[in-house]
Amino acid sequence: DAGVIQSPRHEVTEMGQEVTLRCKPISGHNSLFWYRQTMMRGLELLIYFNNNVPIDDSGMPEDRFSAKMPNASFSTLKIQPSEPRDSAVYFCASSLASGFTEAFFGQGTRLTVV
Amino acid sequence: DQQVKQNSPSLSVQEGRISILNCDYTNSMFDYFLWYKKYPAEGPTFLISISSIKDKNEDGRFTVFLNKSAKHLSLHIVPSQPGDSAVYFCAAHGSFGNEKLTFGTGTRLTIIP
Repeated sequence: DAGVIQSPRHEVTEMGQEVTLRCKPISGHNSLFWYRQTMMRGLELLIYFNNNVPIDDSGMPEDRFSAKMPNASFSTLKIQPSEPRDSAVYFCASSLASGFTEAFFGQGTRLTVV
Repeated sequence: DQQVKQNSPSLSVQEGRISILNCDYTNSMFDYFLWYKKYPAEGPTFLISISSIKDKNEDGRFTVFLNKSAKHLSLHIVPSQPGDSAVYFCAAHGSFGNEKLTFGTGTRLTIIP
């Protein structure tokens, strides 16, 4: 398996534009996580899906952020409109939720909003 | 509310010596604890884990210790090598059906040759 695949690797956009980050989890995994890495908060969980259903979105900063998982092999994180403070590295991770399990991470998307 | 805390943002250790990274947690529902290692421009990679029914797990140069009463865990690396220089994240999740993985803020470990 190629692992968790995220696209794009880098995204530079202007403030106010819509940004869509994409993630393909590892085949067979049933949990998917979106994280944002910041200096202050480390790896901050934004949203967690289990079997394509959002279980916990309490980490989503505000209504400008939305995430979907239309099927087991694809998820998106959308920011609309984007702001400079959204600049960060966004990671997607997947796991096989079975009680005790580790999550596997993609390489991340570095987002810069100017 | 930071449920997983790594109070040392950075640590420098001489090559060959022991590196000890610490982590504290507040949520008593956590059942499984993990350490991840992260190099620049890469995603975190899983390093070692421990379940709440154990107090120690060892894998080569890496050992994780869990003190449930103190809600504290630590990662020991011995001997430390230059390739161990990275950011280390502590993480935890609950039992089956509650695998929401919560991370700490990370500790940057630098091994001095």
